[in-house]
Amino acid sequence: GAVVSQHPSRVICKSGTSVKIECRSLDFQATTMFWYRQFPKKSLMLMATSNEGSKATYEQGVEKDKFLINHASLTLSTLTVTSAHPEDSSFYICSAGPDEGGIQYFGAGTRLSVL
Amino acid sequence: RKEVEQDPGPFNVPEGATVAFNCTYSNSASQSFFWYRQDCRKEPKLLMSVYSSGNEDGRFTAQLNRASQYISLLIRDSKLSDSATYLCVVNMRNTGRRALTFGSGTRLQVQP
Repeated sequence: GAVVSQHPSRVICKSGTSVKIECRSLDFQATTMFWYRQFPKKSLMLMATSNEGSKATYEQGVEKDKFLINHASLTLSTLTVTSAHPEDSSFYICSAGPDEGGIQYFGAGTRLSVL
Repeated sequence: RKEVEQDPGPFNVPEGATVAFNCTYSNSASQSFFWYRQDCRKEPKLLMSVYSSGNEDGRFTAQLNRASQYISLLIRDSKLSDSATYLCVVNMRNTGRRALTFGSGTRLQVQP
């Protein structure tokens, strides 16, 4: 069964809407979770590292005010895409693992379509 | 140079064929290595970890060559269900990077 749960799996929204995506570790605690973005036929691109109890670390080129990350507990991280626009349409995936730098388990992903 | 490089493919092979993928990584002090599989429009799933001594899981064999900084995956007796993108993944925690580093993936298409 899944060890990382991600919701929702699919979002279709109007431009200007904010969208919240949740990522939960089910069988372990995760002080760190990772958020990725994937465009069609492209590789996973790390967006940010979510840190429990402190600020997220964003990769170069990722706007922190656009992609808000909150790691409220040892089993939950949320990514909020604020004021979404069509260019934000993508596949967003989170990952977590019981050992930092070890095996990572992925959520099922969220396919976001902004109209 | 990319941190993790893979031939994007696609590799088109008939059922029953043996196919091998290679991957090279740039950081010689990288610590852990994995192969993940990703099906179209799905999340990546761990296929196997890669150990220095080489390891096998059924039809899948993974090898690590630290001196040459490459990792390989061998699939024997290919099945139609093996069609997917295979991601080479490296842990570069020695660089302070906590996330795993993914290659761009090699696409495999097994044909009847």
